[in-house]
Amino acid sequence: EAQVTQNPRYLITVTGKKLTVTCSQNMNHEYMSWYRQDPGLGLRQIYYSMNVEVTDKGDVPEGYKVSRKEKRNFPLILESPSPNQTSLYFCASSLKDRTDTQYFGPGTRLTVL
Amino acid sequence: AQSVTQPDIHITVSEGASLELRCNYSYGATPYLFWYVQSPGQGLQLLLKYFSGDTLVQGIKGFEAEFKRSQSSFNLRKPSVHWSDAAEYFCAVGGVMNSGYSTLTFGKGTMLLVSP
Repeated sequence: EAQVTQNPRYLITVTGKKLTVTCSQNMNHEYMSWYRQDPGLGLRQIYYSMNVEVTDKGDVPEGYKVSRKEKRNFPLILESPSPNQTSLYFCASSLKDRTDTQYFGPGTRLTVL
Repeated sequence: AQSVTQPDIHITVSEGASLELRCNYSYGATPYLFWYVQSPGQGLQLLLKYFSGDTLVQGIKGFEAEFKRSQSSFNLRKPSVHWSDAAEYFCAVGGVMNSGYSTLTFGKGTMLLVSP
């Protein structure tokens, strides 16, 4: 089954404790991205990747890192999480770029205390 | 800069009634237009998209949308709403620049509530 998986689905952590949210897709898509969703603000892109070893900042990249060492995986790293990073995070992938159909993961609910 | 406006934050519709969700966009050229749906606890799923051609687009789950260039709108419609349609709906606009760089901007969403 074609899908995007994220782990963990729920995470409660404390300020400053490094964490990684994993994302994996099995559709051989070149384009992958991370979004955060906040009430009243909709979806905002954090980082994206056009292909292996090619990543770039989205609209709200501060406090986040990403890497794309393999085509299928695109982890999101929070080196020193802060409470303003409490949010719902989505990973998405598409065939080539943003204008292709985006396939979204189920989301990761992160709370930073 | 491109932008998307979904004027209604919440809409309540009776089951069996018709539905129209509004979307207005700002974009300098011919846009790519999308509607995504997010069911509770789920990620977003594409309902339909418009790139070119027929301005009335059919999607999944009985939804359709009409691109009206003169009004910069891409409203989503369904003739008869089912309780399972209760979800949040996102309109998005995007495009591909001459450089090959692509863009995509989501609206803030409209929450659809379905009453019995």
